[in-house]
Amino acid sequence: EDQVTQSPEALRLQEGESSSLNCSYTVSGLRGLFWYRQDPGKGPEFLFTLYSAGEEKEKERLKATLTKKESFLHITAPKPEDSATYLCAVQGDTGNQFYFGTGTSLTVIP
Amino acid sequence: NAGVMQNPRHLVRRRGQEARLRCSPMKGHSHVYWYRQLPEEGLKFMVYLQKENIIDESGMPKERFSAEFPKEGPSILRIQQVVRGDSAAYFCASSWTVKNTEAFFGQGTRLTVV
Repeated sequence: EDQVTQSPEALRLQEGESSSLNCSYTVSGLRGLFWYRQDPGKGPEFLFTLYSAGEEKEKERLKATLTKKESFLHITAPKPEDSATYLCAVQGDTGNQFYFGTGTSLTVIP
Repeated sequence: NAGVMQNPRHLVRRRGQEARLRCSPMKGHSHVYWYRQLPEEGLKFMVYLQKENIIDESGMPKERFSAEFPKEGPSILRIQQVVRGDSAAYFCASSWTVKNTEAFFGQGTRLTVV
């Protein structure tokens, strides 16, 4: 069965302190790996799609990378407004759904 | 720039009543997914629909839950005879194709059963 594990569950950073979030996955025939950001009481907001190992995507302070077994979301010099839960999801070739991890709750302290 | 629209945002139902959750996908999107999120848990897939067709309902409880996506109008998730355990946030997402593309989510409907 397709599966996604995210670590750490929670992460507290000082403003400006760079770090990485991990997403490990098992999937039969990866169609895509997706990163979302979710603020409390809101729906997930799409960030990135990665399709193949070695691919990288960047947006402002965020950079997502992909290997055959995991993906990393690198946060460079984070700001308090980056505080949110970051969700990783995969879609494989055996079904239609997106499998989500339980997320990493990021808190950036001023 | 209309995204995925869900209504109502909050819904309170007494045990035994029916809940109807609506989802209008993004313009040009014909694929709709429904997910349920419980506190401290991840998003759990419920059903995937295209216009007038249920494609995959492997995550839907066998009883009391149904979904539709008519030719005209929004997608509807219907929960009959609600119980306290149905209390959760229900999210709808849409995409323009099913393969190799991201899905965009609405703001969700928070269902509370009292």
